Amino acid sequence: KQEVTQIPAALSVPEGENLVLNCSFTDSAIYNLQWFRQDPGKGLTSLLLIQSSQREQTSGRLNASLDKSSGRSTLYIAASQPGDSATYLCAATTTQGNTPLVFGKGTRLSVIA
Amino acid sequence: SQTIHQWPATLVQPVGSPLSLECTVEGTSNPNLYWYRQAAGRGLQLLFYSVGIGQISSEVPQNLSASRPQDRQFILSSKKLLLSDSGFYLCAWSVQNLDTQYFGPGTRLTVL
Repeated sequence: KQEVTQIPAALSVPEGENLVLNCSFTDSAIYNLQWFRQDPGKGLTSLLLIQSSQREQTSGRLNASLDKSSGRSTLYIAASQPGDSATYLCAATTTQGNTPLVFGKGTRLSVIA
Repeated sequence: SQTIHQWPATLVQPVGSPLSLECTVEGTSNPNLYWYRQAAGRGLQLLFYSVGIGQISSEVPQNLSASRPQDRQFILSSKKLLLSDSGFYLCAWSVQNLDTQYFGPGTRLTVL
């Protein structure tokens, strides 16, 4: 059974810093891995999706990497801004079983101006 | 473009009362549909998913049920709410079972 873990649970950084959010998964037979952003009391917004055949995806200041052999994915945010403050969730799908997405509990990011 | 709607946005219900949450998707046909619950400190949990009208898969045993009466309509129900049903309920859709999922704005349910 796939399990997804995100550490740390919360992170606070000053504006302008580059930062990395971590995600680990137990089953390396993943189909894809997604990163989402969730603002307080809101739904989820998809940020990046990495297929199992890919090693990274980039969108603007965001870069997500995937290392299946080590069971890890990272989300890199460059030049952080206060507007980046939110909870970031990663989720994995596997080629086995029927569960479409297994989520981590998220990392709550605060970017201080 | 595709949009997903959920209502109500917030709901406060007494224990033992019934529940009906609705989710509709516009701008696509035959989507896969999902219901998730997000409880404090527990992350997002998949409750139900559907690959077509009348086809519902349940991921966890619980006090809730789901139905898909129309192609782009997904309903979450309960006959008698429990305190433990409180949480943030999110509906999502995808084109194929394993591709990007798009989430609705959510419904905050408080059971008192």
